[in-house]
Amino acid sequence: AQTVTQSQPEMSVQEAETVTLSCTYDTSESDYYLFWYKQPPSRQMILVIRQEAYKQQNATENRFSVNFQKAAKSFSLKISDSQLGDAAMYFCAYWGYSGAGSYQLTFGKGTKLSVIP
Amino acid sequence: NAGVTQTPKFQVLKTGQSMTLQCAQDMNHEYMSWYRQDPGMGLRLIHYSVGAGITDQGEVPNGYNVSRSTTEDFPLRLLSAAPSQTSVYFCASSYSNRNGVDSPLHFGNGTRLTVT
Repeated sequence: AQTVTQSQPEMSVQEAETVTLSCTYDTSESDYYLFWYKQPPSRQMILVIRQEAYKQQNATENRFSVNFQKAAKSFSLKISDSQLGDAAMYFCAYWGYSGAGSYQLTFGKGTKLSVIP
Repeated sequence: NAGVTQTPKFQVLKTGQSMTLQCAQDMNHEYMSWYRQDPGMGLRLIHYSVGAGITDQGEVPNGYNVSRSTTEDFPLRLLSAAPSQTSVYFCASSYSNRNGVDSPLHFGNGTRLTVT
């Protein structure tokens, strides 16, 4: 079974600074997708960024970018110019084959990000 | 455009009671799933469905039943609620079980369930 590990339960960053959230995963598959989801206090799950495993180029969405290291099975999220609205729980997730002809999304345990004014 | 609709938003049950959490989507998604979220545990898959009439177990299926009689609806049933089932429950759907990039999961807003 695939596993996703987020080793930082909590992180903090000064407003306007840059922060990197770590994520590693374990899989024997070569074709899969990786995601970062943001969950603010409203409880809503918001897709931040996604990366296809077959693409070497790192995905970027405005102030959010990833460092995807396929051989190391690492998928970190960098938030630049941090804003107060970035404060939330962030989940790393792996979407891939789970056996029996099915694909599933597996989540890490999350990193709570605080932004200091 | 309603997306994924979960009802109720909040629910309190007594141990042993049964109830159904409702999930409906209006995007003609084939894939639907239920997750539970507990502090420090992330989201864990309970059950999922790749189409009407097809369901399968996820990581934590015990104590829960599902059915998929239509494409739109995927209810989650708690037959005899236990305090260990106190959690936040999310329903999520996608166009295709296979194509994760073009159709990432769309989440409902969650149901907070407390079992006393």
